[in-house]
Amino acid sequence: GAVVSQHPSRVICKSGTSVKIECRSLDFQATTMFWYRQFPKQSLMLMATSNEGSKATYEQGVEKDKFLINHASLTLSTLTVTSAHPEDSSFYICSASLGSQLETQYFGPGTRLLVL
Amino acid sequence: SQQGEEDPQALSIQEGENATMNCSYKTSINNLQWYRQNSGRGLVHLILIRSNEREKHSGRLRVTLDTSKKSSSLLITASRAADTASYFCATDRHTDKLIFGTGTRLQVFP
Repeated sequence: GAVVSQHPSRVICKSGTSVKIECRSLDFQATTMFWYRQFPKQSLMLMATSNEGSKATYEQGVEKDKFLINHASLTLSTLTVTSAHPEDSSFYICSASLGSQLETQYFGPGTRLLVL
Repeated sequence: SQQGEEDPQALSIQEGENATMNCSYKTSINNLQWYRQNSGRGLVHLILIRSNEREKHSGRLRVTLDTSKKSSSLLITASRAADTASYFCATDRHTDKLIFGTGTRLQVFP
């Protein structure tokens, strides 16, 4: 099946720094990528939908200036957590879709962010 | 919130027993999917059931969908220790967004 990778798998940073997380579709071109956030023992919450070459669509309550999303190519989307604070510590998961059919959405392994 | 709810929140069983998890949602849907997540890992797609389907099987998995009650169930038969994970349902409403349920944490003891 299709493979989606994320890098880094985990990151620890100091409060106030910015962190970039990459999401790559390794063997297919993803027209749409999604970014989710998951707190411990909780469900996935959609943060934003990213389409190649256009601005990301953010969910209500998600600060677009805080969580910068760039989808520069059909195989790469990046999420940058700017001026990270301890409350941004979470598990961030991306997924990639081949098209409009949701059954073709493939999830990355996730990135655990810890902000000290 | 449009998020679905799952019950039970946690389930502990012995190997060989069956595990049943339920998912309820609030709005009309196009498809409903079930995913598994091992601790600290990404999601693995298990099965998709469309709104015009009532039951679907995949190996030891059986999924039912009752659109009149806005609910779905996932049955894992003859469970194994390797089935220990969190299970999530996810629905879509004729859009490209998936709305995940709250999840069921399954523990299967050898």
